[in-house]
Amino acid sequence: GAGVSQSPSNKVTEKGKDVELRCDPISGHTALYWYRQSLGQGLEFLIYFQGNSAPDKSGLPSDRFSAERTGGSVSTLTIQRTQQEDSAVYLCASSSGTHRTDTQYFGPGTRLTVL
Amino acid sequence: AQSVAQPEDQVNVAEGNPLTVKCTYSVSGNPYLFWYVQYPNRGLQFLLKYITGDNLVKGSYGFEAEFNKSQTSFHLKKPSALVSDSALYFCAVRYFNTDKLIFGTGTRLQVFP
Repeated sequence: GAGVSQSPSNKVTEKGKDVELRCDPISGHTALYWYRQSLGQGLEFLIYFQGNSAPDKSGLPSDRFSAERTGGSVSTLTIQRTQQEDSAVYLCASSSGTHRTDTQYFGPGTRLTVL
Repeated sequence: AQSVAQPEDQVNVAEGNPLTVKCTYSVSGNPYLFWYVQYPNRGLQFLLKYITGDNLVKGSYGFEAEFNKSQTSFHLKKPSALVSDSALYFCAVRYFNTDKLIFGTGTRLQVFP
């Protein structure tokens, strides 16, 4: 079946602009995660959704970052007033349920470049 | 602190030889351990995971990993490497009291013909 999809695949923006990144999880997956992959920080967790709720937002680096999930499916990660240090690959993952043993399946990522 | 370490930035191996990519985790309860592989400009692909039970876990593409509780390690292995195995490999841990995966820094595997 279809995997996790993300759009756009690449985004180039100017410093100070807002960007929205989209994630479509695997159909039926209730858990959704956002991670960020950057050269300096490696792979780091941003936020976790179970359904439409976000019980763990501990990884969001600043109040410029926000995310929402609607209908228990699509999620949008928004970065306001982008900075150059926001340049990274943003990865979305989904898993089937609420068990911590569930495998997280990743999308191809969105490469964000802030000029 | 909850963490996972991959001590080697790069592993080089000749095609046909066995390969090992190392991973150790910090001691904090009973962790769930995962291996993922990343090919250039691609997301992470799941290889295998250890939850409980048999310490030797078999996964995709002929990979396996051995959980060693006394050494807090979860090394990835393959009996015979292929050039197509060349990629970036990530070990990840998930503890019982958290929802997120904590990743190692990654190990680049280079398999030479």
